[in-house]
Parts: sequence; structure tokens; C-alpha cells
Amino acid sequence: DIQMTQSPSSLSASVGDRVFITCRASQGIRNHLSWFQHKPGKAPKSLIYAASGLRSGVPSRFSGSGSGTDFTLSISSLQPEDSATYYCQQNDSYPLSFGPGTKVAI
Amino acid sequence: QVQLVESGGGVVQPGGSLRLSCSASGFTLRNYDMHWVRQAPGKGLEWVAVIRYDGSNKFYGDSVKGRFTVSRDTSKNTLYLQMNSLTNEDTAVYYCFNDYEDYWGQGTLVIVSS
Repeated sequence: DIQMTQSPSSLSASVGDRVFITCRASQGIRNHLSWFQHKPGKAPKSLIYAASGLRSGVPSRFSGSGSGTDFTLSISSLQPEDSATYYCQQNDSYPLSFGPGTKVAI
Repeated sequence: QVQLVESGGGVVQPGGSLRLSCSASGFTLRNYDMHWVRQAPGKGLEWVAVIRYDGSNKFYGDSVKGRFTVSRDTSKNTLYLQMNSLTNEDTAVYYCFNDYEDYWGQGTLVIVSS
């Protein structure tokens, strides 16, 4: 099974800051990685697919990069509504797996 | 309008069973892989199961394998999760979702407690 790790586990930043969240897979997963945003009491929302593809309707301040085992989610200019927990998920092989999450506070 | 509506959550004793339903409207379930994901209180997201679009393959997370079964009824356009031998660790909000289109249900709460 593929294990996913994320860093940092939490961060605090200001409006307008650029932030980076990293995700690492225990083995190569090509570009088969998605990023999700999850706010309390709501269903998660997909932001990025195939490591760098921006989902329709997702603001362009979100971007993803990476391939193989190391991936990054970047938020270029943090907004108040970006306060949430962010998860990476590998969809290269079953069982699929999420990272432990990164809580972003603003 | 696309909707996924989960039902069937509730309180169940350890060792008991529960069946969750996820009724889809606005799209056809059988055209997509459909997943179950859960979040235990204070914990992160955990992938639970998938039924492939053609219904022929099903896969499970290690923590539920052998106890949970995913299925669907194409005539009702509904996804199911049969959960047996439940333990306290299965207490969570359960979501169904279509990862291709990013359609999610609202979540249904399962509490395993004596």
C-alpha cells in the first residue's frame, strides 16, 4: 500500500501571503495525485487533479506541481476563504490513500 | 441538477451492521467510478471503497476489507455501503463521491457505541 505524508501539519499565514504545502508518496505514483480542500461541516472539494490540473471553477491562485514521489500545492495570494484543511490523495493504485492533512489558518 | 444524497446513518452497537445509501440524480452512476470516504471525529479523510464504473471491480481500504461491501442498483441510480462487524473505530461521517466530476454527498454520520 502507498503511504502519503504531508508537511507542514498546520500553518498560519496572512491574507496575501504565498503558501506551500508538500506531499510525499512512499513510492512513485507518476502524476496520479489530487488535492482536496475541506472545511468543517462541508463536503470536501477537489482543487487539483493529475498533480497540476486545475479543477473548473477553482481560483487560479491555487496551483499544483510535482511528479513521482514529491508534490506541492501552492496558494499564491491567500484569501480569508482559504482557511481549511488540505489533503493530497494518491489515485495511482488501490487502496487509494489520503495524506494526513494540512490545516491552514489565516 | 446534480445531487448525491446519503442516508442510513445512525447509532449502532459494536458488532452490529448498517447499510448506507447514496442516491444520485442529474447523472448516471454506472458511467463513473463511485467512492466512499469517511472522516472520524478529529481525524483526517480516509478512503473506504470504490466500485468501478462497469461494476465488475470493487476495492477496499485495509481497515474495512472483509467487513464492508460496496454495491449499486443501477435501476435506482443508488450506491450502497453495507457495513458489518462495526467497531468504535468506524464512527465517522461517511461521504459518497464521484471523483471524475467532483460530486459529493452531504455526508451521513455513523456512531458505533454501546
